[in-house]
Amino acid sequence: NAGVTQTPKFRILKIGQSMTLQCTQDMNHNYMYWYRQDPGMGLKLIYYSVGAGITDKGEVPNGYNVSRSTTEDFPLRLELAAPSQTSVYFCAGKGVPNTEAFFGQGTRLTVV
Amino acid sequence: DQQVKQNSPSLSVQEGRISILNCDYTNSMFDYFLWYKKYPAEGPTFLISISSIKDKNEDGRFTVFLNKSAKHLSLHIVPSQPGDSAVYFCAAFVLQGAQKLVFGQGTRLTINP
Repeated sequence: NAGVTQTPKFRILKIGQSMTLQCTQDMNHNYMYWYRQDPGMGLKLIYYSVGAGITDKGEVPNGYNVSRSTTEDFPLRLELAAPSQTSVYFCAGKGVPNTEAFFGQGTRLTVV
Repeated sequence: DQQVKQNSPSLSVQEGRISILNCDYTNSMFDYFLWYKKYPAEGPTFLISISSIKDKNEDGRFTVFLNKSAKHLSLHIVPSQPGDSAVYFCAAFVLQGAQKLVFGQGTRLTINP
C-alpha cells in the first residue's frame, strides 16, 4: 500500500504556463481533496470529490480545475499559472467510515 | 470566516514537560475534530481525533479534550519528547456530505532538551 502519492514533488513554472499535479491513491478512498498551504497559514480546500465523476469547488477554486474519472486518480490542473499560485499543494483521501484523511507528501510549486 | 482557529503560532516546551495546544471553532455543526502533525517537506499525518459526543480521547502520550459549550479543544502531550517538535494542525468536519476537513492555521511546537 503506497497510500496517497503525489507527483511531482517540486516544480517551477513561468507565469502563464500550465501544468497538472498528479494524485493517486490505492486505499479505495471515496473522498479526495486538494488543499494548498501558504506560509504561516493552514490548509485551504481547493476542490474535492465524493466519488468517481463527481467533483465540486472548495474554498479557493479560482485558477484550478480537477477531474475524477477513476476512484484512484484526482489530478489538479493549473491552466494559466500566476505568482499567487506559488504554494505547497496537498492531496488527501478519506474513506468511509474512517474519520481521518490521509495526505500525500505534497508538491511545492513556484510560479515566477 | 475562519471556522477553526489556532491563536498561538508557536509554543516552546521543555523536554519531559506537558505540551498543551489549543484550538477554537465557530461552527457548531462539526461532528469530528482531529489533530494532525506535520514535519517540514512532508504531508500532515493524523495524530488523534475526537467525536463531538465525547469530551476526552486518549492515545498513549496524546490526549484530546473537547469543550463543546466553549467551542474549544486542546491537545495534551505528556511527556513531551524532542521528536514531537513539528507543526500541529487542528481540523474539523461535518459528517453529512463531503466531510471536508477545515483546518486551523497551525501551531509550531518546539521541544527543548
